[in-house]
Amino acid sequence: GDSVTQMEGPVTLSEEACLTINCTYTATGYPSLFWYVQYPGEGLQLLLKATKADDKGSNKGFEATYRKETTSFHLEKGSVQVSDSAVYFCALSVPNYGGSQGNLIFGKGTKLSVKP
Amino acid sequence: DVKVTQSSRYLVKRTGEKVFLECVQDMDHENMFWYRQDPGLGLRLIYFSYDVKMKEKGDIPEGYSVSREKKERFSLILESASTNQTSMYLCASSDPGTGEETQYFGPGTRLLVL
Repeated sequence: GDSVTQMEGPVTLSEEACLTINCTYTATGYPSLFWYVQYPGEGLQLLLKATKADDKGSNKGFEATYRKETTSFHLEKGSVQVSDSAVYFCALSVPNYGGSQGNLIFGKGTKLSVKP
Repeated sequence: DVKVTQSSRYLVKRTGEKVFLECVQDMDHENMFWYRQDPGLGLRLIYFSYDVKMKEKGDIPEGYSVSREKKERFSLILESASTNQTSMYLCASSDPGTGEETQYFGPGTRLLVL
């Protein structure tokens, strides 16, 4: 079945370091891909997404490119800040019973801690 | 902005109690979801609904039921709470009718069952 695998954490970086969180997926069809972020004590919020191969999603300095050939959607940021400390989830969309896209399959999450 | 609200941020219940978790969204979304989040396991789908009075089981429906009497409200019910249901519960909604698959999440309810 469809699945998402992301690198296990925790990941600890110093401020201004480069970040890469790996995400690979297995899917039938052509899913959309997402990165969600969960700040401490909060729910998940969409960080970025890509709906087709070679699309690049970007937001708040984070980027990820939908790579169909390697079935990957790695999250990158060139210079992290303390405020980026959070848990990051990779996800893909799958059809639901309504026949429309709407269900998401999530990876297990990667906790990022950024030290000053 | 889409707003998804959950009735409680923290709940403490006793084993065997009936527990209601309420979720309300204000964007007329068709789809609503309940997940639980546990360390090392990520998010697991409990139930979802793609229309009023419709419900579908997710990956871990055992011990839970749901109710969707109105489009904006989706309730998760623990008929007889058990300690292994101690978890963070997250509600989400989405609007597939527009081709938009993004799910919008509430702040979560942290439930402790003693």
